[in-house]
Amino acid sequence: QKEVEQNSGPLSVPEGAIASLNCTYSDRGSQSFFWYRQYSGKSPELIMFIYSNGDKEDGRFTAQLNKASQYVSLLIRDSQPSDSATYLCAVNGGTASKLTFGTGTRLQVTL
Amino acid sequence: EPEVTQTPSHQVTQMGQEVILRCVPISNHLYFYWYRQILGQKVEFLVSFYNNEISEKSEIFDDQFSVERPDGSNFTLKIRSTKLEDSAMYFCASSEVSDSDTQYFGPGTRLTVL
Repeated sequence: QKEVEQNSGPLSVPEGAIASLNCTYSDRGSQSFFWYRQYSGKSPELIMFIYSNGDKEDGRFTAQLNKASQYVSLLIRDSQPSDSATYLCAVNGGTASKLTFGTGTRLQVTL
Repeated sequence: EPEVTQTPSHQVTQMGQEVILRCVPISNHLYFYWYRQILGQKVEFLVSFYNNEISEKSEIFDDQFSVERPDGSNFTLKIRSTKLEDSAMYFCASSEVSDSDTQYFGPGTRLTVL
C-alpha cells in the first residue's frame, strides 16, 4: 500500500512568520511531487510541483525534495491570514499516473 | 486561464438511484481523472482515462461506476445504484503530457445520497 503521510495539525504560525509543512512517502518509485492548497469545501488548488532533488522556489513558496529520505516539504515565507487552509501533499508514480494524497496539514496563520 | 468545470455543484439523490456527474476538462488536455473526498477524509483516486479507455482504476471503482467521454468535451462519471457511502465530493481533474504532469482539479460536485 503506497502511503503519503502528513501531520494533520493544526499548525499555527503568526502572520509574517515562516510555515514549514512536511510530508513523507513510502513508494521509492514516486517520480513527481505536488503541493495543493484546499480551502474548506473547495477543490485542491495547485501550489507547486517538484520532481528533482533539492529546492524549488516560486514567490513566497519553496518546495524541498529529498528522494533518499523520501521526504518533501513546503516552506511558506511571510505567512498571511489568507494562507490559512489545508495543504495536501500528493505524489505520483510516473506520467499521467494517479495521485496519492496525504491527509493534509491544516495551517492557521494568526494575526 | 483555462479551467476544469463540473456540473452540477450539488446533487441530492435517493439511495439506489443512478447519478451522472459531468466534467469539462481543459481543452488541450489528454488525460482525465475522477477523485472523491468523503467529508473529513483524504482525496482518493477513482479512475484515470486516456484515449477513450480506462488507464487505471482503484478498488473503489467497482461495477457500480463507469466513465465515458460521450463527445469531444465532456467526461462523465456514472454511479448506477447509489449507496449512502457514496456521499462525498467528487473531483474531476485533467492533465497534459509534460514534464510537470500536473493535474488540475475542477470545483467538485457534492453528492448527497439519502
